Amino acid sequence: DAGITQSPRHKVTETGTPVTLRCHQTENHRYMYWYRQDPGHGLRLIHYSYGVKDTDKGEVSDGYSVSRSKTEDFLLTLESATSSQTSVYFCAISPGVSNQPQHFGDGTRLSIL
Amino acid sequence: QKEVEQNSGPLSVPEGAIASLNCTYSDRGSQSFFWYRQYSGKSPELIMFIYSNGDKEDGRFTAQLNKASQYVSLLIRDSQPSDSATYLCAVHTGGFKTIFGAGTRLFVKA
Repeated sequence: DAGITQSPRHKVTETGTPVTLRCHQTENHRYMYWYRQDPGHGLRLIHYSYGVKDTDKGEVSDGYSVSRSKTEDFLLTLESATSSQTSVYFCAISPGVSNQPQHFGDGTRLSIL
Repeated sequence: QKEVEQNSGPLSVPEGAIASLNCTYSDRGSQSFFWYRQYSGKSPELIMFIYSNGDKEDGRFTAQLNKASQYVSLLIRDSQPSDSATYLCAVHTGGFKTIFGAGTRLFVKA
């Protein structure tokens, strides 16, 4: 299994609070991604990173920010959580982008009340 | 909007039968195609990838790609109850973008 650890695995928080999710990899892969998965929508890309301090937005980036200060860590922050951000969040990694599959962490189930 | 479409299912097949899962995509420039299996409450797990037109076999799994018709399929031979899961089709459309379908639920009856 790809060495990807997400933390926390579960979190319940209140609307308006900041939340940070962590993705840690031991594969030394250059590319890291954050997705959310909601019923009927499949996996949707929030943000991605193509190197240390190099990040960009995905299709559903509003309300989210990311940081990557080390190759192995990719953080996703919800600055002020809203109920619409209740979801399962997956981190993924890949060694390249062309013809390279992504491998996923175990996910974080986030509930915002 | 670039899309990947899958029948949501559930697709129900008896044990030992062939399960056929289909996926269509809208971006003709797509080059890489992936199938993931996702058990309930778990993360997606890569089971097959295909880049060229035709068939690619790996054990009980066969991926089929037809770029002219813009579809990719996954066949599971000798289906087992342990194959019961949601199967996600993913299409790399270029750059950093991989589009995932919403998945097809497969149920294999013992």
